[in-house]
Amino acid sequence: KQEVTQIPAALSVPEGENLVLNCSFTDSAIYNLQWFRQDPGKGLTSLLLIQSSQREQTSGRLNASLDKSSGRSTLYIAASQPGDSATYLCAVSTLYNNNDMRFGAGTRLTVKP
Amino acid sequence: DVKVTQSSRYLVKRTGEKVFLECVQDMDHENMFWYRQDPGLGLRLIYFSYDVKMKEKGDIPEGYSVSREKKERFSLILESASTNQTSMYLCASSYSGGTTDEETQYFGPGTRLLVL
Repeated sequence: KQEVTQIPAALSVPEGENLVLNCSFTDSAIYNLQWFRQDPGKGLTSLLLIQSSQREQTSGRLNASLDKSSGRSTLYIAASQPGDSATYLCAVSTLYNNNDMRFGAGTRLTVKP
Repeated sequence: DVKVTQSSRYLVKRTGEKVFLECVQDMDHENMFWYRQDPGLGLRLIYFSYDVKMKEKGDIPEGYSVSREKKERFSLILESASTNQTSMYLCASSYSGGTTDEETQYFGPGTRLLVL
């Protein structure tokens, strides 16, 4: 059974810092991996989706990488802003059923002005 | 823009009540999902549906049922609510196949359910 782990559970950084969020998964047979953002009390917003054949995806100040062989993904946020404060969740879809998405518990990010 | 709406943002119910949570999407997506989210546990899949009247159990279907009579609507039913079903419930939808963007799951705002 696929297990997804995100470390750290919480992270606090000063504004302007570059930061990396980590995600690891136990089964490398994945269909895709997504990073989501969740603001308090709200639903999830997809940030980046990486297909299993891809190594990275970029959107603005965000860059997500995927290393299937080691079971790892990172989300890099450049020049962090207070508006980036949220919980970031990583999710992987299994190769056998791409509707079966497994989520990590998330990293709660606080960017201090 | 894809829009996924959920019928209630907050609900308070009594133990033993039958509870209906409704989800509607406006993008003609084939797939719809119900998750629950609890602190420290992440999101866990309750049920998903890949077509009208079709459903598959997720990881934690016990105590829940679902209904999909129309493509745009997916309902989650708590047959007899219990206190351990107090949680945040999230609905999502996605398109089957196609481009990277089309495979993304789109989430509703969530329903926070409290069972007393």
